[in-house]
Amino acid sequence: GAVVSQHPSRVICKSGTSVKIECRSLDFQATTMFWYRQFPKQSLMLMATSNEGSKATYEQGVEKDKFLINHASLTLSTLTVTSAHPEDSSFYICSGADRGVNTEAFFGQGTRLTVV
Amino acid sequence: GIQVEQSPPDLILQEGANSTLRCNFSDSVNNLQWFHQNPWGQLINLFYIPSGTKQNGRLSATTVATERYSLLYISSSQTTDSGVYFCAYDYKLSFGAGTTVTVRA
Repeated sequence: GAVVSQHPSRVICKSGTSVKIECRSLDFQATTMFWYRQFPKQSLMLMATSNEGSKATYEQGVEKDKFLINHASLTLSTLTVTSAHPEDSSFYICSGADRGVNTEAFFGQGTRLTVV
Repeated sequence: GIQVEQSPPDLILQEGANSTLRCNFSDSVNNLQWFHQNPWGQLINLFYIPSGTKQNGRLSATTVATERYSLLYISSSQTTDSGVYFCAYDYKLSFGAGTTVTVRA
């Protein structure tokens, strides 16, 4: 299967600072990328969908000014958590899909964010 | 929106046992996939199966789109099969609640 690389795998930051998470598709062009959030022992909740070169579409209840998503190329999307608070601590996972060829989506390794 | 029910929510197996996991949908879905989330959080693609049956080693999956359900079969389970199994569907990949599988040696 295709490979999606997500970095960092773990990050600890102080309240009020911003954190950037990168998601790269290594061997395919991810025309669409998705960002999810997962709390302990819960399922994945979609935060936003981004298409290369377009603004991201956020799910209801997700603050677009707090969770900045950039999908500037067919192989890279970034999620920036701005002015992080302890309640933003969670597991963030990205996925990519080449919707023009194959509708199967592939996931990154996830980033565990802890805000102290 | 579409409701998805994954069953059972938890499953404890003895090594070597077989099991069946199920996803029921309230309406027709597209792009159905099965994933295994390992204890480190990595989601591993198992099957992309909008319809029909596929097999990959000890795992197989069947989707009956007209009946709005999908099944994941695990045969001869191993301890490495432990983790959470999710079905996900549609363009934006909405996830079911998951089945937590524990395989004991």
